[in-house]
Amino acid sequence: DTAVSQTPKYLVTQMGNDKSIKCEQNLGHDTMYWYKQDSKKFLKIMFSYNNKELIINETVPNRFSPKSPDKAHLNLHINSLELGDSAVYFCASSQVPGEETQYFGPGTRLLVL
Amino acid sequence: AQSVTQLGSHVSVSEGALVLLRCNYSSSVPPYLFWYVQYPNQGLQLLLKYTSAATLVKGINGFEAEFKKSETSFHLTKPSAHMRDAAEYFCAVSGSGGYQKVTFGTGTKLQVIP
Repeated sequence: DTAVSQTPKYLVTQMGNDKSIKCEQNLGHDTMYWYKQDSKKFLKIMFSYNNKELIINETVPNRFSPKSPDKAHLNLHINSLELGDSAVYFCASSQVPGEETQYFGPGTRLLVL
Repeated sequence: AQSVTQLGSHVSVSEGALVLLRCNYSSSVPPYLFWYVQYPNQGLQLLLKYTSAATLVKGINGFEAEFKKSETSFHLTKPSAHMRDAAEYFCAVSGSGGYQKVTFGTGTKLQVIP
């Protein structure tokens, strides 16, 4: 059983398009995250939700909009995609924010042409 | 505010040699510290974590790390490198209490030479 799953695994799209990435965790965790990993492997947190409530919202363009329909799901919608959005996006979950182990999904590799 | 600095973006060791990956942290509150490993085309997985209990922390795959408050360090070691240890390693820090975010270092790529 996959603990944290993401779809799609790969996403190739044109500039200006809108796309969504979905994440689901079956660990019963209360907290979920979105991270962006750039080509140099630098990992930066974008958003965090605890019990469907947004608790961390880093300096991210408002073209990025997360949505948590329930504790087990956290989706990421991106409007008007730009070349600089090309990266690997990781979803993660933990029981509580910060001090607990985070469990990462396999990543979604986004390429904007 | 919190941050981590990983010294050396690339480290090469021979198979069977000691692995030492360096991490220094900065935190205004007592920190929680983590080492994660990322194998190619995969997500991160936890190697070990320090949460204010024992200063020497043992993790999976034979890795361990020692928390040294006086040096603000949390270096990762393994006595004998194996080919399967080749991966990217990330040190991370968070504060205790409340909704604390985890800040990751820039990563160290470990190459193991046969």
